[in-house]
Amino acid sequence: TQLLEQSPQFLSIQEGENLTVYCNSSSVFSSLQWYRQEPGEGPVLLVTVVTGGEVKKLKRLTFQFGDARKDSSLHITAAQPGDTGLYLCAGASLPSNSGGSNYKLTFGKGTLLTVNP
Amino acid sequence: NAGVTQTPKFRILKIGQSMTLQCAQDMNHNYMYWYRQDPGMGLKLIYYSVGAGITDKGEVPNGYNVSRSTTEDFPLRLELAAPSQTSVYFCASSYSRGPKHFGDGTRLSIL
Repeated sequence: TQLLEQSPQFLSIQEGENLTVYCNSSSVFSSLQWYRQEPGEGPVLLVTVVTGGEVKKLKRLTFQFGDARKDSSLHITAAQPGDTGLYLCAGASLPSNSGGSNYKLTFGKGTLLTVNP
Repeated sequence: NAGVTQTPKFRILKIGQSMTLQCAQDMNHNYMYWYRQDPGMGLKLIYYSVGAGITDKGEVPNGYNVSRSTTEDFPLRLELAAPSQTSVYFCASSYSRGPKHFGDGTRLSIL
């Protein structure tokens, strides 16, 4: 069973601070996705990282995929109240004998971020 | 552009009742998914479909059924509601593998 551990589980910071949240596994993933979910809404896909060591930036958000494709981090610079939400990571894998037909996406439990004005 | 639309938004059922959660997408996506989200537990895949007429089980399919008669619609059926099925249900769609667009969810309580 593949597990994705996200840390911290909860994070409360002041506006303007920087933060990093983590997504770790003992399994190798073919790609990893980050979502943000606001209360009462569905998750919104932020980014997909595919290559080990890959870094992607989305305005003040920086996503990194570990060299071994087992972990990822999300760094937010100068957090704003609008960044508040549940951040979910999800790792994608294809069993070696699947021929591509058994794509599996495993979600972590999320980091609940609160940015206070 | 509505994206993924789920109805109803809220529902309370009694144990043993049945209901259908509706999901429709207007993006002509082949891939559609049903997830449930329980507090502190992340999202678990119930069923998915790679195109009209093709469905397959996910991680937690027991107690649920799906059908995909059209590209647009992917309803989820609960036949005999049980308290363990109290959850928030999300439908999602995508052009390729992996959910990209989620609906806003159906909050289901079974009492």
